[in-house]
Amino acid sequence: QVQLVESGGGVVQPGRSLELSCAASGFTFSGYAIHWVRQAPGKGLEWVAVVSYDGTNKHNADSVRGRFSISRDNSKDTAYLQMNSLRPEDTAVYYCARDLSICSGGSCYSVALDFWGQGTQVTVPS
Amino acid sequence: SYELTQPPSVSVSPGQTASITCFGDKLGDKDASWYQQRPGQSPVLVIFQDAKRPSGIPERFSGSKSGNTATLTISGTQAMDEADYYCQAWDSIAAWVFGGGTKLTVL
Repeated sequence: QVQLVESGGGVVQPGRSLELSCAASGFTFSGYAIHWVRQAPGKGLEWVAVVSYDGTNKHNADSVRGRFSISRDNSKDTAYLQMNSLRPEDTAVYYCARDLSICSGGSCYSVALDFWGQGTQVTVPS
Repeated sequence: SYELTQPPSVSVSPGQTASITCFGDKLGDKDASWYQQRPGQSPVLVIFQDAKRPSGIPERFSGSKSGNTATLTISGTQAMDEADYYCQAWDSIAAWVFGGGTKLTVL
């Protein structure tokens, strides 16, 4: 079955860096884009970043642009989120999720995030 | 930036029908998805492309859209359906956007 397992979270001081990992199994990892989504304590879901199936296309939310970087290693079935210059407002549970895309007429587009990991907690104290 | 607006809370009696709405500018031109998040758990996709149900999601969950408002309907609501529900759509500028979430209480 599809599994996504996040790791790498922890407590980190403001301004420092942290790298999260998302290990996938149960599906052909290299065929899917992967997203990172976060959820601050008591708040809703916030999309953070996405990397295409082959790692060539990446896109970040405005709130993390220039500080966070998404990547993947298809030989290891793992995606990463490198987080630099961390701020207290980055405190959240970070989820990785698989992209569900629909292809029609020779082009494909994302329609949902169909499987999610259990999340990893990142805490940046103020 | 693009926004999706949901009611903060909805209440329903067991066995009754719950409806949760999601409004967004030009949402009628986009694909809406819905996620269920039970307390302490990860989100689960329950509806995609407005009305399609992933494998394993009970038939009591359905989706629809009228104009710029998408609606998640839960028929014969059960206690286990008590959760937060989020709508989501893709915008060409803001990318993947989630609504603020709706807390469904089964009284």
